[in-house]
Order: sequence, then C-alpha cells, then structure tokens
Amino acid sequence: QKEVEQDPGPLSVPEGAIVSLNCTYSNSAFQYFMWYRQYSRKGPELLMYTYSSGNKEDGRFTAQVDKSSKYISLFIRDSQPSDSATYLCAMKQQTGANNLFFGTGTRLTVIP
Amino acid sequence: ETGVTQSPTHLIKTRGQQVTLRCSSQSGHNTVSWYQQALGQGPQFIFQYYREEENGRGNFPPRFSGLQFPNYSSELNVNALELDDSALYLCASSFETGDGLFFGEGSRLTVL
Repeated sequence: QKEVEQDPGPLSVPEGAIVSLNCTYSNSAFQYFMWYRQYSRKGPELLMYTYSSGNKEDGRFTAQVDKSSKYISLFIRDSQPSDSATYLCAMKQQTGANNLFFGTGTRLTVIP
Repeated sequence: ETGVTQSPTHLIKTRGQQVTLRCSSQSGHNTVSWYQQALGQGPQFIFQYYREEENGRGNFPPRFSGLQFPNYSSELNVNALELDDSALYLCASSFETGDGLFFGEGSRLTVL
C-alpha cells in the first residue's frame, strides 16, 4: 500500500464549477500537508501549505485536513480554464526534513 | 527574487553513461532537495543537502550522488545510467526546512 493515495482522474468540469480533489494517507506521523499544481512539462508550483487539522483559504482555493480520517482535500471555487493542470498532494512528518511524500496527481481539465 | 533554476532542460544519454544535473536555489534559500518524477507519477525524494552536507536520503542507490556548494547551488550526479532512470529530475529549495518546497522547472532525462 502506498503511503499517499490520490485518484489520478482524469477529471473534467465545466468552467465555474466547484472542484474537489482528495488524498488519503496511511502514516499518522504526517504533520504538514501541501497541494501543488503542475502544468504539463513544468515543475510543481506550491498552492497551499497547512499544518495539522483544519481549513485554510487562499482566494478561490480552500485546503482541508482531517487527521482523524487521514484525509485531505483541496477545493477550487469558480474554476477557470487556466486551472487545467495536474494537482499533487504532498505531506511530510516534521519540519526537520524535506522528504515529501507525494500522491500520483489528479489531472484536471476545466472546459470553457 | 530569482526562483529555482535548473540546467539542462532536456538531455539524452545512453545506458551506462553518467550525467550531471545542476540547480541554483531560490535567493535566500539554503536547503536543496532533489526529486525524481517518472511519467504519470508523483515526485520521489532522492536526497537533501543542508550546509553542503547530505542530511536525508530516499530509497535510491549510491550511484545517485550530489553536491551542494557554498553559494547553495547544487548538482545531482547519476552514474551507470539505466533505462528506468528516464524521468523528470526536480530540484527544490527552501530556507532551512520550514514551509513548503519551491521547485524548479526540472531536467528531463531520457536514457536510451
């Protein structure tokens, strides 16, 4: 079993829709949770960084962490064609290490 | 502020050869990590350098080695290339090991 599971999609939604992206994990030691956006043939771009459980909002993006269920989510409101990309969840155990564990990524297409 | 830059962007090698990939950290960052991303997969942690010392390593064999220089730039060296080494190699930097990682655009290696 992989430490981080993510549905690879692909996921297609109409412009303006609310997008929900999710990851589950098995290692209860993970404390820090991130979402990255990766355009085709580019490096990952950090979108959200959260610590422990709770919600964090940044513009059209909301990240949720439920440590009791080992489940994290990213919501995108009012989705735009420019949001079309692969979304990667990532997590790590402690601040003293940059060993991020990534999901496989969910490929999202927002249709105009 | 200059972001993470990597070179070369693309290269082709044959099995058994050696390759060196280079990375310049984002301004103000003193920690660099290298990741391997196979097609359709999330990035996998190779190793991390802090103050010119390797201080974390993923499940990669010793033929993957690296250096960090006093100006915080870094190299990834891979000896005895295998076909499975074909991937996007990502460099990421941070200040110490806090917050999220900031990735470069990657070096795409093809091994024939």
